[in-house]
Amino acid sequence: DAEITQSPRHKITETGRQVTLACHQTWNHNNMFWYRQDLGHGLRLIHYSYGVQDTNKGEVSDGYSVSRSNTEDLPLTLESAASSQTSVYFCASSESGVNRETQYFGPGTRLLVL
Amino acid sequence: DAKTTQPTSMDCAEGRAANLPCNHSTISGNEYVYWYRQIHSQGPQYIIHGLKNNETNEMASLIITEDRKSSTLILPHATLRDTAVYYCIVRFVDDYKLSFGAGTTVTVRA
Repeated sequence: DAEITQSPRHKITETGRQVTLACHQTWNHNNMFWYRQDLGHGLRLIHYSYGVQDTNKGEVSDGYSVSRSNTEDLPLTLESAASSQTSVYFCASSESGVNRETQYFGPGTRLLVL
Repeated sequence: DAKTTQPTSMDCAEGRAANLPCNHSTISGNEYVYWYRQIHSQGPQYIIHGLKNNETNEMASLIITEDRKSSTLILPHATLRDTAVYYCIVRFVDDYKLSFGAGTTVTVRA
């Protein structure tokens, strides 16, 4: 079955280190998204992509970067991890076109920055 | 995107219908109403969406008022597994990203 996976599921890192979170989907969806969710809050959009080589900033993009070299993957990089980036990170994907835009979410990555 | 307003929390009895309101008074004609839910610690799950007409699927029904300024998500027979945070989201037809608010925490009680 097609799916969306995230790795690692849990990560502990130190302030200042570069961290990359992986997101892989097998639906061949054009659109991919990264969100973060902090305790007691809704999801906030970090970056998104509508196709290969396309990337866009979301509402909380500072300190994060993404690249889209193929359809299946959208890795999220924290350039220099900060304690404020401790959060749960969700990746999602969707297909383009009317009535085909439902976003499917991965299981999440819990990141702790010490 | 139009802003949505939802109650912070609500309780529902198991087996009864759960009616979740959402206000989106500034919605424009080319904006969908979407509902997602998030069960504890999991990724959000799509429930239903609509533009103007009422919609029904195997999970829920979506009732949109004629002026489109508010909507109600109906879970016809709530079960304990429906306990979750429910998000009402307004999204432009040609813009695929979603903006999540705080949602409504729904607790289904036996």
